[in-house]
Amino acid sequence: DTAVSQTPKYLVTQMGNDKSIKCEQNLGHDTMYWYKQDSKKFLKIMFSYNNKELIINETVPNRFSPKSPDKAHLNLHINSLELGDSAVYFCASSQGVRNEKLFFGSGTQLSVL
Amino acid sequence: DQQVKQNSPSLSVQEGRISILNCDYTNSMFDYFLWYKKYPAEGPTFLISISSIKDKNEDGRFTVFLNKSAKHLSLHIVPSQPGDSAVYFCAPMTSGTYKYIFGTGTRLKVLA
Repeated sequence: DTAVSQTPKYLVTQMGNDKSIKCEQNLGHDTMYWYKQDSKKFLKIMFSYNNKELIINETVPNRFSPKSPDKAHLNLHINSLELGDSAVYFCASSQGVRNEKLFFGSGTQLSVL
Repeated sequence: DQQVKQNSPSLSVQEGRISILNCDYTNSMFDYFLWYKKYPAEGPTFLISISSIKDKNEDGRFTVFLNKSAKHLSLHIVPSQPGDSAVYFCAPMTSGTYKYIFGTGTRLKVLA
C-alpha cells in the first residue's frame, strides 16, 4: 500500500495546455509538499501545505496553483504549460513542519512539447 | 544561489569497501541535515539525519559526520553493498523555515 502516491506517472502534453497532477498520502501526515527536479537534477521546493494551509510558496510562476482539499491530498494544477515546465514533479509529506523527514511519491515526469 | 553542493557527481566503489559521499554548504543557519537515497524512477527515501548539536550520527552501516566550522557533511557507508547503488542527496534545513535545500546528488555505484 503506497504511502505517498501521485498520478499520473508520465504526462506528455502540448504547450499552452492546462494539466493537473494529483497526490495523496495515507500516512496521516499534516504537511504536504511539491518539489520540482529540473534537467540539472536540482530538487527544489515549490509549495508546502500544513493542515490545508499554505506555508511555503516559493518564487513559482502563478501559472502553478496548488490545491489541498484535505490534509491527505495536495494537487498541482498548471495553466498554459511552457517548454520550461518539463521536469519531474515530486509530491512529499511529513508528520509536521519541524525537522521532520520527508516521504516522497515516485514522481511525475512532465514533458511539454 | 547554490547553498548546497555535492561536488562529486559520481563515485564507484568496490563491494565491501567504504563509500564516502561529501556535501558542502554555505548557509551557517542550517541546523538540521538529512541524507536521502534515490533509485531510478522512484522518489527519494530518507536515510539518516543529524542535528547541528551533534558531530556524528550512526545507523547500522551508515554514519553521517558534521563539521560545522568547515560547513561540511559526509556520509560513510561501510561495508558498501551493490544494493547501495543509487543517487544520494544531502538536504539541510534551517529550523523554522520548513524547507529542505537539496544538493544536486552523487551517483554511487557499488561494484560486485
